[in-house]
Amino acid sequence: DQQVKQNSPSLSVQEGRISILNCDYTNSMFDYFLWYKKYPAEGPTFLISISSIKDKNEDGRFTVFLNKSAKHLSLHIVPSQPGDSAVYFCAARLRRDDKIIFGKGTRLHILP
Amino acid sequence: KAGVTQTPRYLIKTRGQQVTLSCSPISGHRSVSWYQQTPGQGLQFLFEYFSETQRNKGNFPGRFSGRQFSNSRSEMNVSTLELGDSALYLCASSFRDRVSGDTQYFGPGTRLTVL
Repeated sequence: DQQVKQNSPSLSVQEGRISILNCDYTNSMFDYFLWYKKYPAEGPTFLISISSIKDKNEDGRFTVFLNKSAKHLSLHIVPSQPGDSAVYFCAARLRRDDKIIFGKGTRLHILP
Repeated sequence: KAGVTQTPRYLIKTRGQQVTLSCSPISGHRSVSWYQQTPGQGLQFLFEYFSETQRNKGNFPGRFSGRQFSNSRSEMNVSTLELGDSALYLCASSFRDRVSGDTQYFGPGTRLTVL
């Protein structure tokens, strides 16, 4: 039973355009959502998070949108840069025990 | 501040052996979590330790165990290794800030290959 789903295993976007990575979840007991970026041979790096009481959080080129009614969140990267090519993991924290559950990741390719 | 460190970075073992992986969290962090990453399953939570106590546990068999020491360093042990245990094992530490969210900082991982 996958509680955090990233349905697109990969995504290709032209440099300079907007990258939109999507994530769906099933458990309404998640109170925090996080995005991580991972390069090969490195551990994931925290990017941005959003509390379940908000619907948008922005940090530079990265914006996360949360739609609680649809149980959906998305990460927008604009403009996309070559260094953004990586695997992006969506994660959610369970309110009752602080356990963090990850999606399987989406590989983002930024095309020149 | 130094980041999360994991040793060794690479390890090759044979089936039936056991292995111990080590993780040193960021100074001041008291929570250490372990994850297994495989191509097909993504990141899967193994367990979390806080102040030397296991707080959470994922759905892994009892062959996977861990512990945390008083200096917050943590070890993970896998006994009777199976081929399917080949994976990248990631350790993450966090400060436990409930207000701003539980941001975890990951180490580079230990790549375990079981032959």
